[in-house]
Parts: sequence; structure tokens; C-alpha cells
Amino acid sequence: DIVMTQSPDSLAVSLGERATINCKSSQSVLYSSNNKNYLAWYQQKPGQPPKLLIYWASTRESGVPDRFSGSGSGTDFTLTISSLQAEDVAVYYCQQYYSTPPWITFGPGTKVDIK
Amino acid sequence: EVQLVQSGAEVKKPGESLRISCKGSGYSFTSYWISWVRQMPGKGLEWMGRIDPSDSYTNYSPSFQGHVTISADKSISTAYLQWSSLKASDTAMYYCARHRSGSYCRDWGQGTLVTVSS
Repeated sequence: DIVMTQSPDSLAVSLGERATINCKSSQSVLYSSNNKNYLAWYQQKPGQPPKLLIYWASTRESGVPDRFSGSGSGTDFTLTISSLQAEDVAVYYCQQYYSTPPWITFGPGTKVDIK
Repeated sequence: EVQLVQSGAEVKKPGESLRISCKGSGYSFTSYWISWVRQMPGKGLEWMGRIDPSDSYTNYSPSFQGHVTISADKSISTAYLQWSSLKASDTAMYYCARHRSGSYCRDWGQGTLVTVSS
């Protein structure tokens, strides 16, 4: 199984400041034949289902503000919120979709609050 | 517009059976897999398993294999998650999500809250 870890567990950032969340997979999620990292990021606000933010590690979903960006490759990934807004308070999850048989695993989540 | 509409909240007693549903619309139901994801109170997301509605082939997370059954009826564009004997530890929010093979979950249902209590 591919195990996903995230750090930190939670962070508090001032409005307008940068928030950085790290995600690590226990084995590479880079598929060499197409050079794609099978890694997504989701945002979940209280009482709502998860919302897709980033896929293929760095492709922003349509409609997602450009202050959200994803980076990394292989086993180490980062979600960056360049200028935190009040509406970004949420829990953020990374997810790998590389495994075969087609299994999905999520990271444990990182809670982002306003300082 | 793509929609996944889940059945309503359920309150059950331990040992009872249950089936919850996820109805897809606005897309070709057999062209995307449906996964089920559990979220226990105050906890993170756990992938339970998935089904290919075109042939009803399923894969389960080892953590859930044997505890739940995933099925689908493509004639009514609906996927199901069922339990034969609920436990208190099954109390959780359950989400369905659609995705292609080896791909991310773009669309999610609104969630079904299952409460198991004596």
C-alpha cells in the first residue's frame, strides 16, 4: 500500500501571508511512461464534501483561484496558498491515485486557520 | 451539469442492515467509476472501494473488504454501498465520488450521514 503523510497537522497563518502544506508518499507516484505524478489536493470546509483543487500534482482545477498552487514530484509534494484569505480556512488533503489494483489513499489532512 | 445525489441520513441499530445510494446525472454513468469514501466524526477521508458501473467490477480497500458491499444498477445510474450488520463504529459520513480509471475525484456527492446507535 502507498501511505500518505502530511505536515504540519495544522497551521495558523495571518491573512495575506503564505501557507505551505507538505505531503509525502511512501513510494513514488510518478508514472514514468507519461511523466505524470498521480497526486491530487482537496479542500474540505465544515459540513461540505471535499473539493478538488489540484491534480497531476500541479494542474489547477478550473475555477480554483490562482493563489493555490501545487508542486513536487516522485514522493514529495507541496500545496501553497500564496496569500491566505478568510475563505481558505479548511482542511486540506493530498491523495494518490497511482496504486494498482486501482486504490486511492488520502493523507491525514492539514487544518489551516487564521492567526 | 454533473451531479451525484446521495440518499438521506439514516439512523440504525447495531446488527441492522443498510443500503445507501448515489445517483449520477449529467454524464454517461458507465464511463466513470464510482468510489465510496468514509469520514468518521472529526476524522479524515478514507477510501473504501470503487465500482466500474459498466461491468460492476469492484475493488476494495483491505480495511473495508468483507465489511461492506459496493454495487451499481446502470439502468438507473445509481451506485450503492451496503452493510449486512451495522456496528456503532460504522457511524460516519459517507461520500460517493466519480472518477476515471487511475484518476482524481472531480465530482462528489453531498454525503450521507449514517448513525448507528442502540
